[in-house]
Amino acid sequence: NAGVMQNPRHLVRRRGQEARLRCSPMKGHSHVYWYRQLPEEGLKFMVYLQKENIIDESGMPKERFSAEFPKEGPSILRIQQVVRGDSAAYFCASSLRTGRGTDTQYFGPGTRLTVL
Amino acid sequence: DAKTTQPTSMDCAEGRAANLPCNHSTISGNEYVYWYRQIHSQGPQYIIHGLKNNETNEMASLIITEDRKSSTLILPHATLRDTAVYYCIVSPLTGANNLFFGTGTRLTVIP
Repeated sequence: NAGVMQNPRHLVRRRGQEARLRCSPMKGHSHVYWYRQLPEEGLKFMVYLQKENIIDESGMPKERFSAEFPKEGPSILRIQQVVRGDSAAYFCASSLRTGRGTDTQYFGPGTRLTVL
Repeated sequence: DAKTTQPTSMDCAEGRAANLPCNHSTISGNEYVYWYRQIHSQGPQYIIHGLKNNETNEMASLIITEDRKSSTLILPHATLRDTAVYYCIVSPLTGANNLFFGTGTRLTVIP
């Protein structure tokens, strides 16, 4: 009964490199959410995806950040040309989203990105 | 946008009940009250949620006032492992695109 899985757990990149963060939702969940937590701050919503669709990307930075959730495989959060300000913990959550009642988001352990 | 207010921090003696308050005076009829916690830098952990009735599970109890403008999360016998930041969040019945975490309450359980 695996929960939300994220990998890698820790990622170190140099400025200008690309970072790819992966998220596998809980079994049976087809809705994925990405959040970012900067040091000493609260979690901030980035993007909400359903299989093959971006539903809400109102929290995504306009440049360098993209997300996808393909029909097969995990959801990917991609950060191009990373800068030191991208250093943060990135959390993924998943839910059932039945629309018929409560829809709890369950979170993964996070990926800690450090940009040197 | 914050729809809840919580105290910044609280202490609780180990073994005693921890009562964490939350005000959500502008909650609408189609919104649940959710509680999550974040232990150190781990991923947020779902605790409990409710609409208007009191709820209890293996982790905690949730008491919601009759007017639904406030609630209290109760950890009946706090342990050192309950030290965490606790977040009270309102979320629509049909599910939220994004949960607003705010600053939460930092609970410290003291030996």
